[in-house]
Amino acid sequence: DTAVSQTPKYLVTQMGNDKSIKCEQNLGHDTMYWYKQDSKKFLKIMFSYNNKELIINETVPNRFSPKSPDKAHLNLHINSLELGDSAVYFCASSQLGLAEFTDTQYFGPGTRLTVL
Amino acid sequence: AQSVTQLGSHVSVSEGALVLLRCNYSSSVPPYLFWYVQYPNQGLQLLLKYTTGATLVKGINGFEAEFKKSETSFHLTKPSAHMSDAAEYFCAVTPWSASKIIFGSGTRLSIRP
Repeated sequence: DTAVSQTPKYLVTQMGNDKSIKCEQNLGHDTMYWYKQDSKKFLKIMFSYNNKELIINETVPNRFSPKSPDKAHLNLHINSLELGDSAVYFCASSQLGLAEFTDTQYFGPGTRLTVL
Repeated sequence: AQSVTQLGSHVSVSEGALVLLRCNYSSSVPPYLFWYVQYPNQGLQLLLKYTTGATLVKGINGFEAEFKKSETSFHLTKPSAHMSDAAEYFCAVTPWSASKIIFGSGTRLSIRP
């Protein structure tokens, strides 16, 4: 029944490794997002995909590569992990309807990434 | 450009007291405004949102917020705080024509017994 799910919930890894975080939504939404929340709780959008197409790409190192195999999934792959990548990463989804554009975003539980 | 300012990174109130969390926004187009709550070790959950129409918006858990265009504010209130309200609260803004949400820096609400 989980609307937006992420795996894994915790990820501890060494600097220089490559890791992926998966996100799935069963709300039938057409748009998905990745956010990074730093240690001070500041939330910043990283990417957004609408119908598998990239529509938002903030200033994020190109070590971060999102991949959307279909509308229900948006995965985040990170190459050559650095200490500064340690954060909580949230996936979210919304429906960009035309009739009533509310853009309410539904968030996953987060993935806490720790780079040692 | 849109931005959100939350006044006070930490607010502490006694149980049963009024909760007031402040949010001011900046938007060049009519904004949609949101309040999200984040409980410890959890994702964000929508509390309430303002899109159009009535400027006083009621949300879940007894919270409400009033959109005041003249003051560019969207403060969150609850008449009587409960211990379970302790969490991080985020105000957010999005212009109706875009999908990007801009979040404020968050306000941590603590409740004293």
